[in-house]
Amino acid sequence: NAGVTQTPKFQVLKTGQSMTLQCAQDMNHNSMYWYRQDPGMGLRLIYYSASEGTTDKGEVPNGYNVSRLNKREFSLRLESAAPSQTSVYFCASSVVGAGEHEQYFGPGTRLTVT
Amino acid sequence: AQSVSQHNHHVILSEAASLELGCNYSYGGTVNLFWYVQYPGQHLQLLLKYFSGDPLVKGIKGFEAEFIKSKFSFNLRKPSVQWSDTAEYFCAVNRKGTYKYIFGTGTRLKVLA
Repeated sequence: NAGVTQTPKFQVLKTGQSMTLQCAQDMNHNSMYWYRQDPGMGLRLIYYSASEGTTDKGEVPNGYNVSRLNKREFSLRLESAAPSQTSVYFCASSVVGAGEHEQYFGPGTRLTVT
Repeated sequence: AQSVSQHNHHVILSEAASLELGCNYSYGGTVNLFWYVQYPGQHLQLLLKYFSGDPLVKGIKGFEAEFIKSKFSFNLRKPSVQWSDTAEYFCAVNRKGTYKYIFGTGTRLKVLA
């Protein structure tokens, strides 16, 4: 049981390049989330998916898109990377989002945009 | 706007000292409350959670937290810290019935051996 996995672990992009961050969970969770973590700002929600087939914006969605490919997988895409998107990105999942359940986090992707 | 405040950004303690980290939130209505810990180079792990009932909750590794509804607070405590508690601690709030979890900015704890 791997929990929440993320790929890649590290990535360096040039401004304007695109990439997709992958996230998968094997806990049969319904809800999945993408956060970014920046020094002094904690975790900020980018997008979430309450259940398979649905996605919604979080606090900081601009510059990102997501796809809930199936119940297991939730990807985050940067169409045209900017230096302001340099951050550590965490994926999380929970059994049922709107309920009394905690989130489980992946190991993170450290992204640098030059 | 809904927010979660952690007023202590950096805390340095000696081993065996007592710890209290503050967390205040600005939601109306009923909430679920969490403390997560992030050890250096690792992902976030749940320390403890409060959904309802006894406002004093106990978590892993000797941590506990008290929910004081009138103060909108959920402070984390540990009677005697260890060097291995060096980490960043995040408070998070989820308004019951919603999907969003709002995190505080975190508190970096350094415990000196």
